[in-house]
Amino acid sequence: QAQVVQSGAEVKRPGASVKVSCKASGYTFTGYYMYWVRHAPGQGLEWMGWINPNGGGTKYAMKFQGRVTMTRDSSISTAYMELSRLRSDDTAVYYCARGSGYYYAGYYMDVWGKGTTVTVSS
Amino acid sequence: QSALTQPASVSGSPGQSITISCTGTSSDVGGYNFVSWYQLHPGTAPKLMIYEVSNRPLGVSNRFSGSKSGNTASLTISGLQAEDEADYYCSSYTSYNTLHVLFGGGTKLTVL
Repeated sequence: QAQVVQSGAEVKRPGASVKVSCKASGYTFTGYYMYWVRHAPGQGLEWMGWINPNGGGTKYAMKFQGRVTMTRDSSISTAYMELSRLRSDDTAVYYCARGSGYYYAGYYMDVWGKGTTVTVSS
Repeated sequence: QSALTQPASVSGSPGQSITISCTGTSSDVGGYNFVSWYQLHPGTAPKLMIYEVSNRPLGVSNRFSGSKSGNTASLTISGLQAEDEADYYCSSYTSYNTLHVLFGGGTKLTVL
């Protein structure tokens, strides 16, 4: 069955960068966009952006533009999300999730990873 | 653009029904039939419960149902069970060009 498996927890200093990976299996990686969503403590879910693994096109939420980079390595069915210039309020659980559309972005997320906890602390 | 508006908490006893609302605008909830609902249990992957307003993915109990009227979508859970206790988030496609989807602030469901 389709699943996505994320990399492990990270602890970073303010100003550093973090790169989270998301390995897909059980489906055609290039056929589905990969969304990234974060969940900060006490806050709601927040859409960060998506990447189209078929070509690498991206769309980022304005809030993260300039700090976030989403990439993929289709040879190993893995998507990446790198967030730079980390601040304490970037402390959150970061999720990757498969978009619902087949060769388009879709409008919901049907397969989710278990999340990667990123802690930003001095 | 602001998040969709959900009540912070709802509660119900086993066997009862509850409804969680999700209010947006004509640029998101009201303008498109692309509302989805997610269940979050601590430490586990979020689970898609409803998509495109009222559709249930395979494997989701028919105790979960979704609807929409105007700018407000709703998730109804009937026959409440202890395992339904979780956080629930709505989401909608948005035409706001610097976003793609919006989420609600989340609702904590407590089964009494």
